[in-house]
Amino acid sequence: QKEVEQNSGPLSVPEGAIASLNCTYSDRGSQSFFWYRQYSGKSPELIMFIYSNGDKEDGRFTAQLNKASQYVSLLIRDSQPSDSATYLCAVPSGGSYIPTFGRGTSLIVHP
Amino acid sequence: DAGVIQSPRHEVTEMGQEVTLRCKPISGHNSLFWYRQTMMRGLELLIYFNNNVPIDDSGMPEDRFSAKMPNASFSTLKIQPSEPRDSAVYFCASKDSPNEKLFFGSGTQLSVL
Repeated sequence: QKEVEQNSGPLSVPEGAIASLNCTYSDRGSQSFFWYRQYSGKSPELIMFIYSNGDKEDGRFTAQLNKASQYVSLLIRDSQPSDSATYLCAVPSGGSYIPTFGRGTSLIVHP
Repeated sequence: DAGVIQSPRHEVTEMGQEVTLRCKPISGHNSLFWYRQTMMRGLELLIYFNNNVPIDDSGMPEDRFSAKMPNASFSTLKIQPSEPRDSAVYFCASKDSPNEKLFFGSGTQLSVL
């Protein structure tokens, strides 16, 4: 069974700090990796994806991928209270485009 | 486009009743997914369709659950008979191949008493 693991949190950071969210996956054949953000009572929305080892930056968000260690992380710089949400890691199994979701990490950014 | 549309937003029913959840995917998307989300198990894939054909229903909990997609613009998820342990938020999502981004509907909050 393909697994995607995340620390459920909550992760609490002060406004302006860097929030670091981590995810590990079991399928070495996975080629693409996604981060979804889910506000309380809302549906998940895609905020980042990454395919290659290394870093990918988009505004205040940076996704980091290390395939050898089978982990992917999401960094949020200059965290804002509006970033408070649950962040879901999603990883399609090798050969499939159907993602398996982690259970999510709850992030709280306090003023 | 209005996005993925789900109905109803909330459903409260009694154990043993039939429940039907509805989904309209984004026009032009050829893949549709039904997910269930609970605190204990997170977001679980129940079934997905490609070009209106069910491809993988291995996530459907048991025979009480069934899903159909009679055309490209409509899908249903039915639970009969419903049980309290079915209480969850049910999401429908769609995508177009080969794009891997999923677009989620607003979800249906199901409570079975």
